[in-house]
Amino acid sequence: DSGVTQTPKHLITATGQRVTLRCSPRSGDLSVYWYQQSLDQGLQFLIQYYNGEERAKGNILERFSAQQFPDLHSELNLSSLELGDSALYFCASSVGDTVGADTQYFGPGTRLTVL
Amino acid sequence: AQKITQTQPGMFVQEKEAVTLDCTYDTSDQSYGLFWYKQPSSGEMIFLIYQGSYDEQNATEGRYSLNFQKARKSANLVISASQLGDSAMYFCAMREGPKDGNNRLAFGKGNQVVVIP
Repeated sequence: DSGVTQTPKHLITATGQRVTLRCSPRSGDLSVYWYQQSLDQGLQFLIQYYNGEERAKGNILERFSAQQFPDLHSELNLSSLELGDSALYFCASSVGDTVGADTQYFGPGTRLTVL
Repeated sequence: AQKITQTQPGMFVQEKEAVTLDCTYDTSDQSYGLFWYKQPSSGEMIFLIYQGSYDEQNATEGRYSLNFQKARKSANLVISASQLGDSAMYFCAMREGPKDGNNRLAFGKGNQVVVIP
């Protein structure tokens, strides 16, 4: 158990819908990351937050948005869902150091299926 | 451009034998970090080992060791004394910098390992 929690574990929805994925980081970690894993794209970085502020943005679609709340949990909102959004979405957390390993620990993931 | 390359096809390895998983990377940064993660069929991503670009010694963590060859830009993972539970997909990842606290990881496509008794 990495200490990172994600809910829900599975999500099945229809095209055009909107969903929210939730993540709680490990105790003491200030950075939260979101990654998408799909068969065709592999593991792709979406976005990073550090202590409530956006720190880095990757290949995140405009239909997707995220935020990190004062208690450090994070939510990833996916809207106008398309079939191609079906994927495993991971949240990871780290201390957020700017030196050293700053290892990211991953949650169990949310498997999103868009029908 | 792909930053992490893992090109080995799926591998079968006999239990108790060692296996080496190849990873090459591409970066112009002097400071970077290399990570290996394991993803079993259950889906979770498990951190295995880390190597910093300035680390002079190869990293080791239990049965995992990293064969770091900086000039060749390779960071191969060695798993010694394979166990059935080592059957999984293994991902190599790189963090460039960090730059301004941007700690994003770039992942390779992964290496599939199946350990046979």
